[in-house]
Amino acid sequence: GQNIDQPTEMTATEGAIVQINCTYQTSGFNGLFWYQQHAGEAPTFLSYNVLDGLEEKGRFSSFLSRSKGYSYLLLKELQMKDSASYLCAVGKQTGANNLFFGTGTRLTVIP
Amino acid sequence: ETGVTQSPTHLIKTRGQQVTLRCSSQSGHNTVSWYQQALGQGPQFIFQYYREEENGRGNFPPRFSGLQFPNYSSELNVNALELDDSALYLCASSLKYTNTGELFFGEGSRLTVL
Repeated sequence: GQNIDQPTEMTATEGAIVQINCTYQTSGFNGLFWYQQHAGEAPTFLSYNVLDGLEEKGRFSSFLSRSKGYSYLLLKELQMKDSASYLCAVGKQTGANNLFFGTGTRLTVIP
Repeated sequence: ETGVTQSPTHLIKTRGQQVTLRCSSQSGHNTVSWYQQALGQGPQFIFQYYREEENGRGNFPPRFSGLQFPNYSSELNVNALELDDSALYLCASSLKYTNTGELFFGEGSRLTVL
């Protein structure tokens, strides 16, 4: 089975930096994914880490430590449109693309 | 490029009834996964289909079943509906073997069971 934990809610100020943490325990591991989901919309892919370290993509970065079962998503220069739920997901089974999601972190960006 | 489309977008059923949800995968994708997302929760993996066969299943009872067709589109069937089945049902398509395992989600079908 798998257990994925992330904070339920976070609030941050426009222009600031926010870090959303995710810890996981899983049997079988094929990568750590972050998805963004605006209210009433489909989840959209943000990042993928399969090796330890930091992956940077514009304002968003994602970090993975496999030995610690830990990842974080870092959002810089926050914009109001970044208000959304951020879903941490563990990939299982090479090639099968089965993702197991956490409950998501609802981020609210305030002026 | 055609994205993932699902139908219907909203529907209401009563306890004990049966429902069929449909999904057209993104052009070129051969794998379809179904997820259930309850309000305020993350998506929960139901099952995945590849080459018309089930290729992995989450912790859902047998009354949740599916099909994949030769054109890679898919159906999710739920029998003997229960109140707790009320949720957003998301379909996601992908290639079975990718570098990133990225899933492309449809907008979902919102099911309400009364």
